[in-house]
Amino acid sequence: DAEITQSPRHKITETGRQVTLACHQTWNHNNMFWYRQDLGHGLRLIHYSYGVQDTNKGEVSDGYSVSRSNTEDLPLTLESAASSQTSVYFCASSEGTSDRGVNEQFFGPGTRLTVL
Amino acid sequence: LAKTTQPISMDSYEGQEVNITCSHNNIATNDYITWYQQFPSQGPRFIIQGYKTKVTNEVASLFIPADRKSSTLSLPRVSLSDTAVYYCLVGDFMDGGSQGNLIFGKGTKLSVKP
Repeated sequence: DAEITQSPRHKITETGRQVTLACHQTWNHNNMFWYRQDLGHGLRLIHYSYGVQDTNKGEVSDGYSVSRSNTEDLPLTLESAASSQTSVYFCASSEGTSDRGVNEQFFGPGTRLTVL
Repeated sequence: LAKTTQPISMDSYEGQEVNITCSHNNIATNDYITWYQQFPSQGPRFIIQGYKTKVTNEVASLFIPADRKSSTLSLPRVSLSDTAVYYCLVGDFMDGGSQGNLIFGKGTKLSVKP
């Protein structure tokens, strides 16, 4: 079955280190998204991609970067981790367009990141 | 961007029908309404999506009035396992190039009691 996976599921790092969170989907979806979720803020969009070589900034993109070299993967990099980036990170994917009458985002299980 | 407003929290008892209303006064012509469910420590999961009138699937119903300025998610006969956060989103889901504009917000925390 098609799926979307994230790794690692849990990560502890130190302030100033570079961290990369992986996201892999086998849906062959064009669209991929990265969100962070913090208490009191719901889900906030970090970066997103509409296809290979396409990346866009979301609501809270400062301190994060993504690259899209193939359809399946959208890794999220924290260039220099800060304590404010302690959060749960969710990756999602969706079809580029839909003629099915329904178009939803499929979410991964999440990565809990702690920056000490 | 279509902004949505929904209650922060709701309480219910097992076996009851739960209706969660979402306001979206500035919904655009091409916008669809979509609801997601999120359990603790899991990613959100799609529940239902609609454009107008009523949509029903095996999990829920979605009621959308003619003016489309609000919508109501209806969960029939809830159980303890329906305790979750429910998000209402409005946007042009069918346009892949607009999906980066979708806003999840804080959702409605539904607590189902025995």
